Amino acid sequence: GEDVEQSLFLSVREGDSSVINCTYTDSSSTYLYWYKQEPGAGLQLLTYIFSNMDMKQDQRLTVLLNKKDKHLSLRIADTQTGDSAIYFCAEGGYSTLTFGKGTMLLVSP
Amino acid sequence: DSGVTQTPKHLITATGQRVTLRCSPRSGDLSVYWYQQSLDQGLQFLIQYYNGEERAKGNILERFSAQQFPDLHSELNLSSLELGDSALYFCASSVGGGTGSEQFFGPGTRLTVL
Repeated sequence: GEDVEQSLFLSVREGDSSVINCTYTDSSSTYLYWYKQEPGAGLQLLTYIFSNMDMKQDQRLTVLLNKKDKHLSLRIADTQTGDSAIYFCAEGGYSTLTFGKGTMLLVSP
Repeated sequence: DSGVTQTPKHLITATGQRVTLRCSPRSGDLSVYWYQQSLDQGLQFLIQYYNGEERAKGNILERFSAQQFPDLHSELNLSSLELGDSALYFCASSVGGGTGSEQFFGPGTRLTVL
């Protein structure tokens, strides 16, 4: 079945870059997503990448996709304390999303 | 604020009971999705409706059911509740029915089964 794996925790200092990694199994995924969840809130779409792309940049966010290895990463440049949250990787087939268990990013001043 | 509303915010009930969770999608969105988030299982897709019809089914138990009404709001019914059903239940909505459509998530309903 489909599976999405992420590391559970990442700690960085303010101003550093953060890299959150994700692996997935479904090679037919059309889109791959990164969502952010702040405490007590729902999920918010940060960015997504179409499966035929290698990279997508959106302000401080860079998504890299290695389709051969089924590896997705999210790089946050100049990480701020406000970036502290749980980040979910998700893969999308036709109409459903499969989420990883989330990576908790803790940014210390 | 995503524009998706869910009621109630919190629900505490006993084992064996039945509850109904309600979701109103963003104006103009035709698709509604239900997800369950728990510590051990993570975020699991339950079911999707598109314009009143069931579109996709995920890991939804037979004790759970959902529907989407003509005004596009949706309800998730959970019956014969067990302790393990305690979780955050999210609703999301999107304009279209495929994963190319961005899903907007509501704030969730936290269900506690005692």
